[in-house]
Amino acid sequence: NAGVTQTPKFRVLKTGQSMTLLCAQDMNHEYMYWYRQDPGMGLRLIHYSVGEGTTAKGEVPDGYNVSRLKKQNFLLGLESAAPSQTSVYFCASRHTGENYGYTFGSGTRLTVV
Amino acid sequence: AQSVTQLGSHVSVSEGALVLLRCNYSSSVPPYLFWYVQYPNQGLQLLLKYTSAATLVKGINGFEAEFKKSETSFHLTKPSAHMSDAAEYFCAVSPTGTASKLTFGTGTRLQVTL
Repeated sequence: NAGVTQTPKFRVLKTGQSMTLLCAQDMNHEYMYWYRQDPGMGLRLIHYSVGEGTTAKGEVPDGYNVSRLKKQNFLLGLESAAPSQTSVYFCASRHTGENYGYTFGSGTRLTVV
Repeated sequence: AQSVTQLGSHVSVSEGALVLLRCNYSSSVPPYLFWYVQYPNQGLQLLLKYTSAATLVKGINGFEAEFKKSETSFHLTKPSAHMSDAAEYFCAVSPTGTASKLTFGTGTRLQVTL
């Protein structure tokens, strides 16, 4: 089925460890986004990409890095995890048409202890 | 910068009652507006969107929203609540144009009681 797939779905990290979250979409969308969701704060944009090989900072980029080497994949990296990065992470993608819609993945629940 | 404010972090209604979830936006020009629903431990599902066509937008599951420029509002309504509507609802705004990004409100949790 077409859509946005996030892996892993759950992960527990120790403080200082690193990891990469993978977002894959098979809809040929140009734009991809990484959000984090925290209670009472809604979703906040971490980084986004407007095409293969491009990335840009969002509202809360500190402590994260991203890469978009292939159009279908958008990777979110944590180089040295901190407890403040405990959150649910959502990836989204959309096409560039005027009547666009965003498609969201099912999320990755990350706990940093 | 654009923003949205959702009034009421928790709303409780009886089954069969009217659902009204409030959203006000801040933008220098009319933006695109969205309502998403999130069921427990799931991702976000688009309910409806306003992209400068008709101001009354009908979405899935019987929900609708009306864009009111004079009030900078985009409130979500449903005439009769069902137990299955219990979820968290997010209003989001995006500027027009291709390289735009969604900005979300803080969410409203809807509880439906018997």
